[in-house]
Amino acid sequence: NAGVTQTPKFQVLKTGQSMTLQCAQDMNHEYMSWYRQDPGMGLRLIHYSVGAGITDQGEVPNGYNVSRSTTEDFPLRLLSAAPSQTSVYFCASSSRQLDTEAFFGQGTRLTVV
Amino acid sequence: SQKIEQNSEALNIQEGKTATLTCNYTNYSPAYLQWYRQDPGRGPVFLLLIRENEKEKRKERLKVTFDTTLKQSLFHITASQPADSATYLCANAGNMLTFGGGTRLMVKP
Repeated sequence: NAGVTQTPKFQVLKTGQSMTLQCAQDMNHEYMSWYRQDPGMGLRLIHYSVGAGITDQGEVPNGYNVSRSTTEDFPLRLLSAAPSQTSVYFCASSSRQLDTEAFFGQGTRLTVV
Repeated sequence: SQKIEQNSEALNIQEGKTATLTCNYTNYSPAYLQWYRQDPGRGPVFLLLIRENEKEKRKERLKVTFDTTLKQSLFHITASQPADSATYLCANAGNMLTFGGGTRLMVKP
């Protein structure tokens, strides 16, 4: 099993550009989420989804959009990149909300110049 | 809102000793706490989950405790090895996972 796959691994954007970070899982998990990780800040939740067609905001949603058209895919869109969005982004999935482990992708390191 | 706090200072210990990492939470007692390991450049990997009504959970050299009176979870690695060097993250399993900042563990040979 591939688990959770994120692409790309690295990306450099110019301020104002848009892009989509891809996330796919092959475990038929209902719950998927996006986190960003900054030095000294830990992992902060951006958006999450509890099933196809259902998304909700996390702690730091501004500047990001998500959609969940299939169980497998949960892309994260940066509408107009800003230097403050320079970070490492992780996608995660789990089969249930509370009492089960989450599986994480390898991360996408994004730099906005 | 719930906050999860971990000691941001790195923990340096000698090989063979027991490492103890602390996770404190504010406000309400979470129904579950999870512990993850993260290596540089990698995503977090699940280690253990402990429920509110469980005082202790073990897995091989790992042990987690949950003290609802102190609002604290302790994570122990016994007989530590250099390969245990990593950042360890505590997470509250609420609506989605809320993570602490992590504690970096360095085990010296």
